[in-house]
Amino acid sequence: DTGVSQNPRHKITKRGQNVTFRCDPISEHNRLYWYRQTLGQGPEFLTYFQNEAQLEKSRLLSDRFSAERPKGSFSTLEIQRTEQGDSAMYLCASSPQLLAGANNEQFFGPGTRLTVL
Amino acid sequence: ELKVEQNPLFLSMQEGKNYTIYCNYSTTSDRLYWYRQDPGKSLESLFVLLSNGAVKQEGRLMASLDTKARLSTLHITAAVHDLSATYFCAVLPGSYSGAGSYQLTFGKGTKLSVIP
Repeated sequence: DTGVSQNPRHKITKRGQNVTFRCDPISEHNRLYWYRQTLGQGPEFLTYFQNEAQLEKSRLLSDRFSAERPKGSFSTLEIQRTEQGDSAMYLCASSPQLLAGANNEQFFGPGTRLTVL
Repeated sequence: ELKVEQNPLFLSMQEGKNYTIYCNYSTTSDRLYWYRQDPGKSLESLFVLLSNGAVKQEGRLMASLDTKARLSTLHITAAVHDLSATYFCAVLPGSYSGAGSYQLTFGKGTKLSVIP
C-alpha cells in the first residue's frame, strides 16, 4: 500500500492520560500535515512539516500537543493530559514539495479516532 | 482569517436529479480542492482547481472555480445513490504560482443523501 498510513486507527483513553499517534506519509513526500476533525465539522489544520522542520502551527495546537518528524519521514503527534474536548479524528496528510506548476494536492490517511473518557 | 462557507450543509435529492453545491471563500486564492468523505472514513480527493475559470469533470460530478467571485461550484448531474457522502471544499490562500500558506482551510461540508 503506497498511501498515507496512520496508527492506531482507534484509541480510547481516560482523561489525563497521554497518547501518541503515528503517521507514515507517502514515500518521497516531504511535506506532512496534521488536521483534527470533530463530528459534523470539516478538518482543522494543526501543523505542517517540510522534511524535519515544523514550519506552521495553528493556535489550536495548545501546549499539551506536540508533533515531531525527527528524520523527515514518519511523524508523531502526542497529546499530554488528554481532555474530553480532545476527542476527535486526527488526520494526517502528505504532499510532494511544491514545484513550479505543482498543485500541492494533499493526500489524507485513514485517521486515528481518539475517544477520551 | 480565511473563511470558507459551503451551502447547503445538508442536501437530500432524488436519484436522477441535478443539483449544485456552492463554496465561497473570503481571501485571495487560486487553489481550491474538493474532497469526498464517507461516514467514518478519511477524505478522498476529487478535484484540484488551480486557476480562474478552471473546470474539471469526473463522471456525474463537475467542479468549477471563479477566483474573482471567490466561488467554486460542484455540480451533480443525474444523481445516483453511490454519490451519497459528505463533500468538502478546501482552500489554500495565496497564489498557485507564488508563495502561499500550506494550511488547507475547509468548509463545514455538505452532507448529500441521494434517495431512490
